[in-house]
Amino acid sequence: SQTIHQWPATLVQPVGSPLSLECTVEGTSNPNLYWYRQAAGRGLQLLFYSVGIGQISSEVPQNLSASRPQDRQFILSSKKLLLSDSGFYLCAWSVLSGRNEQFFGPGTRLTVL
Amino acid sequence: AQSVTQPDIHITVSEGASLELRCNYSYGATPYLFWYVQSPGQGLQLLLKYFSGDTLVQGIKGFEAEFKRSQSSFNLRKPSVHWSDAAEYFCARMDSSYKLIFGSGTRLLVRP
Repeated sequence: SQTIHQWPATLVQPVGSPLSLECTVEGTSNPNLYWYRQAAGRGLQLLFYSVGIGQISSEVPQNLSASRPQDRQFILSSKKLLLSDSGFYLCAWSVLSGRNEQFFGPGTRLTVL
Repeated sequence: AQSVTQPDIHITVSEGASLELRCNYSYGATPYLFWYVQSPGQGLQLLLKYFSGDTLVQGIKGFEAEFKRSQSSFNLRKPSVHWSDAAEYFCARMDSSYKLIFGSGTRLLVRP
């Protein structure tokens, strides 16, 4: 069966520090991968998605970037964190073809102080 | 633009009572619709989905949802709520680029 992992589970970082959040998927090949952010009391905002290694699409201009160095690895990064980057970051995957549901990881709680 | 609206921010029901969470979607051809549940501090779990066919779909944990094209709705229901159902519920639709558009969520509180 497929599983999706996110690391770390929680993170507290100072403003201006770098960020690296990791997402890995097991049990499937060539998945679509997604990064979402969920601000407190709000819905989910799609940040990035990827249909293959090295292929990244950005949904909103921001202080973050994403990379996909391997088929089942998706990384969310920042060179300098802002206070507004605080939130709950969720990674998701779906089957690479057609209209399919997305499966979500457990999330990373990021607090920028 | 395609959108999803969940008009209720909070809903409180008594344990054992029935539940209906509302979801409306904007225009489009037959939409691909989903309901997800999120417990505090956790990821999202898929409850059910509608792609085509029977407009009443059954999901996990005793939930069901009905697609009504005439009302542009996809409401989630459960006949008898359990305390463990307390969570946040998100309705979503898939856009033409296969990306999910989420509603803002409805937080369900269950009274003992």
